[in-house]
Amino acid sequence: GNSVTQMEGPVTLSEEAFLTINCTYTATGYPSLFWYVQYPGEGLQLLLKATKADDKGSNKGFEATYRKETTSFHLEKGSVQVSDSAVYFCALSALDTGRRALTFGSGTRLQVQP
Amino acid sequence: ETGVTQTPRHLVMGMTNKKSLKCEQHLGHNAMYWYKQSAKKPLELMFVYSLEERVENNSVPSRFSPECPNSSHLFLHLHTLQPEDSALYLCASSQGTGLNQPQHFGDGTRLSIL
Repeated sequence: GNSVTQMEGPVTLSEEAFLTINCTYTATGYPSLFWYVQYPGEGLQLLLKATKADDKGSNKGFEATYRKETTSFHLEKGSVQVSDSAVYFCALSALDTGRRALTFGSGTRLQVQP
Repeated sequence: ETGVTQTPRHLVMGMTNKKSLKCEQHLGHNAMYWYKQSAKKPLELMFVYSLEERVENNSVPSRFSPECPNSSHLFLHLHTLQPEDSALYLCASSQGTGLNQPQHFGDGTRLSIL
C-alpha cells in the first residue's frame, strides 16, 4: 500500500534559520502530493501541493518540489519565524487497492525560538 | 463562518455514554471525511462520504456510527467507547474525491474517555 515517511521531530531552529523537513513516499501510479500544517489547538490547513513530477508548490515562503526520481517532496523555507512553529504533515493522494485515499505521514513538529 | 466547523471542541464521556460529534461545512463541497488523530500516530481515515453516500469505511469498530444527512453536515455517533478511543477527531471536506482535490479540515473535537 501507499506510505509517507517524514523525519522525526521536533525540529528546533532559531528565527531566520533555513528549514528543511524531509518527506519520501511510496505509491502506485502517479500521486498528488501535499503539505499540511497544524497550529496548536487547530485542525490541519493545506500549505501547498504539487500534482505532477517536477511541479513546485509554494505558499507563505514555503516550497516543495515533486521529485519522482527520488520519490521525495521535501519542505523548505529560507527564513523561519516564530509564528511558523507548528506540526507539518506530508501527504499523498493516490489510488490504493482500488480506492482513493489520502495518506499522511506522522508529522514533524517545528519549534522556532526567538 | 469558517469553512469547516466542528462541535463540540472538547468532550469528556464515560464508557457507557452516548454522544454525537457534529461537523458542518460552508464551502459547497460534496465529500466529507472523519479522521482520528492520536498522539504520535499518523492520521487515520475512518469514513468517507461522497454525495451523501458512504464510500469508505476503514475497518472502524461499530461503536462509531457516521451519519451524513446532507452534503453540508456530517455526524459521528459514539456509544460504549473504550479508553483507547480518546483522541482528536477531525472532520474534513473536499470538492469531489479526485486525487488533486485538497481537503479542508475543521479544528477537531478533543475526545476523552473516562
